[in-house]
Amino acid sequence: NAGVTQTPKFQVLKTGQSMTLQCAQDMNHNSMYWYRQDPGMGLRLIYYSASEGTTDKGEVPNGYNVSRLNKREFSLRLESAAPSQTSVYFCASTGGSKAFFGQGTRLTVV
Amino acid sequence: GENVEQHPSTLSVQEGDSAVIKCTYSDSASNYFPWYKQELGKRPQLIIDIRSNVGEKKDQRIAVTLNKTAKHFSLHITETQPEDSAVYFCAASKTSDKLIFGTGTRLQVFP
Repeated sequence: NAGVTQTPKFQVLKTGQSMTLQCAQDMNHNSMYWYRQDPGMGLRLIYYSASEGTTDKGEVPNGYNVSRLNKREFSLRLESAAPSQTSVYFCASTGGSKAFFGQGTRLTVV
Repeated sequence: GENVEQHPSTLSVQEGDSAVIKCTYSDSASNYFPWYKQELGKRPQLIIDIRSNVGEKKDQRIAVTLNKTAKHFSLHITETQPEDSAVYFCAASKTSDKLIFGTGTRLQVFP
């Protein structure tokens, strides 16, 4: 039972490049999230998926797209990376309201 | 939508003292209030939570109180230890809805 697994752990992109952050959970949770964490800014919600096939925008969705491929997987895509997207990204899933987080992806856009 | 405010942003205490972190929420329909601890370079982890039908919950040295009328809830840590040093986040949600976090409190416990 791995919980929430996200990849990669570290990534450096050049401005304008694209990439997809992968997230998978094996806890049979319905809800999954993507957050970004900037210094002093806490955890800000990018996108949320209440169930397979549904997604909703969070507080800071601009510049991102998501895909809830199935119940297990929820991916985050940056189509054209910008320096402002340098951050630590966390995927999470909730079961009975309790959230479990992945280990985080430290993304640097240069 | 829900908005969660958290204070203070930083808190320094002497080992053995108590620490209190406070949060307010905006949506009176919110009914679930967890607290997460994030150590440096690690993922946030749930340490305690409370639902709206309960006013207080304790787990050893930590406790959470909820005032639904005032829409605020607090984390209390007693007999603080250096290993309590971390960033603490409060959050709020309602049934089957997204979890919204506060901005975090950096707690430093000095020996």
